[in-house]
Amino acid sequence: EIVLTQSPGTLSLSPGERATLSCRASQSVSSGYLAWYQQKPGQAPRLLIYGASSRATGVPDRFSSSGSGTDFTLTISRLEPEDFAVYYCQQFGTSPLTFGGGTKVEIK
Amino acid sequence: EVQLVESGGGLVQPGGSLRLSCAASGFTFSNYAMSWVRQAPGKGLEWVSSISGGGGGTYYADSVKGRFTISRDNSKNTLYLQMNSLRAEDTAIFYCAKCGGYTGYDRYDYWGQGTLVPVSS
Repeated sequence: EIVLTQSPGTLSLSPGERATLSCRASQSVSSGYLAWYQQKPGQAPRLLIYGASSRATGVPDRFSSSGSGTDFTLTISRLEPEDFAVYYCQQFGTSPLTFGGGTKVEIK
Repeated sequence: EVQLVESGGGLVQPGGSLRLSCAASGFTFSNYAMSWVRQAPGKGLEWVSSISGGGGGTYYADSVKGRFTISRDNSKNTLYLQMNSLRAEDTAIFYCAKCGGYTGYDRYDYWGQGTLVPVSS
């Protein structure tokens, strides 16, 4: 099983700041098989980015991703009030499909 | 507009059974794999099971293998999850999710609102 470790657990930032979230895999993951999701309290997760850096429909371009092998990064260039949420990475190239434990981005 | 609407959740005793349903609309259902993902209260996301677009391929997490069965009725655009021998640790919100492709190995581009399954005596 590929274990995904997200860090930090919580990121305290102010609106307008840059957020950098990490997702580290226990084994190599093809960048084509990694996704990022956003979840707000009481809501279902929402797909943000999949593959190397493909943004899902309607996702603003302040969200971007990078990385390869075992180290991946989600970057939010300038935080908007609606971006404060929990973010999960997921690998879907190897069974079982696995999610990281999440990073909470909170208002400082 | 893609819509996924889960139903069938509710309180069940340990050892009991429950069948979840997910009614899909807004896309050609049979062209896409579907999955169930759960989230225990206050915890992260856990993949449970996936089924290919035609239904011929099914995949399960080890934690539910032998107890849960995923199926689909493409004539009714509906996904199911039969859950037997339920345990307290199965307590979670269960989400239905549409995969981006035909097989089960894909991102989840749309999610339902979730249905809560508390397992308790």
